Amino acid sequence: DQQVKQNSPSLSVQEGRISILNCDYTNSMFDYFLWYKKYPAEGPTFLISISSIKDKNEDGRFTVFLNKSAKHLSLHIVPSQPGDSAVYFCAASPNGAGNMLTFGGGTRLMVKP
Amino acid sequence: DGGITQSPKYLFRKEGQNVTLSCEQNLNHDAMYWYRQDPGQGLRLIYYSQIVNDFQKGDIAEGYSVSREKKESFPLTVTSAQKNPTAFYLCASGFTSYNSPLHFGNGTRLTVT
Repeated sequence: DQQVKQNSPSLSVQEGRISILNCDYTNSMFDYFLWYKKYPAEGPTFLISISSIKDKNEDGRFTVFLNKSAKHLSLHIVPSQPGDSAVYFCAASPNGAGNMLTFGGGTRLMVKP
Repeated sequence: DGGITQSPKYLFRKEGQNVTLSCEQNLNHDAMYWYRQDPGQGLRLIYYSQIVNDFQKGDIAEGYSVSREKKESFPLTVTSAQKNPTAFYLCASGFTSYNSPLHFGNGTRLTVT
């Protein structure tokens, strides 16, 4: 049973436009959520995180939104750049478990010039 | 530079042979993790260790073994009992403090024929 789901395996966006990547979770104990970016044959790189006491966290072009009632989070990238083309994973950690992460299946983002 | 080093980058083995993947970190992180990624899938947790000389099974530990004799090192052995060993293996580390992101190495691609 997948506790973290990314239902869109791929997303294509024009350069300069907004990219919105979505993630759903089922475990009510999750209270810390992260997004990682991954290029082929490399390890994931931490991008941005949010704890359950917030509903929004922003870092430059990246914003993560959390809707606890819907058990849904999203990553917005504005404006999208060709260098953002990668696979994006969302991950979640349960209450008090530090960094025990459960990952979604990933969404491949392609930003076209 | 601080970081996580995985070696080798590519590894080829014959079926029936055990193989050990190396992971070293100089970030002074308490916890270390091994994940496996298969094509088109997310990361699945194999083993983790939150303190020296102690480790716990993750979701897919069968056919794998680990040791944590030093804080900096967390080698993973893929044994002949692992039925589908060909995969991309990722090592990660992090602090066990609350809401702390994991940092990943660049992975080892293991091919067993």
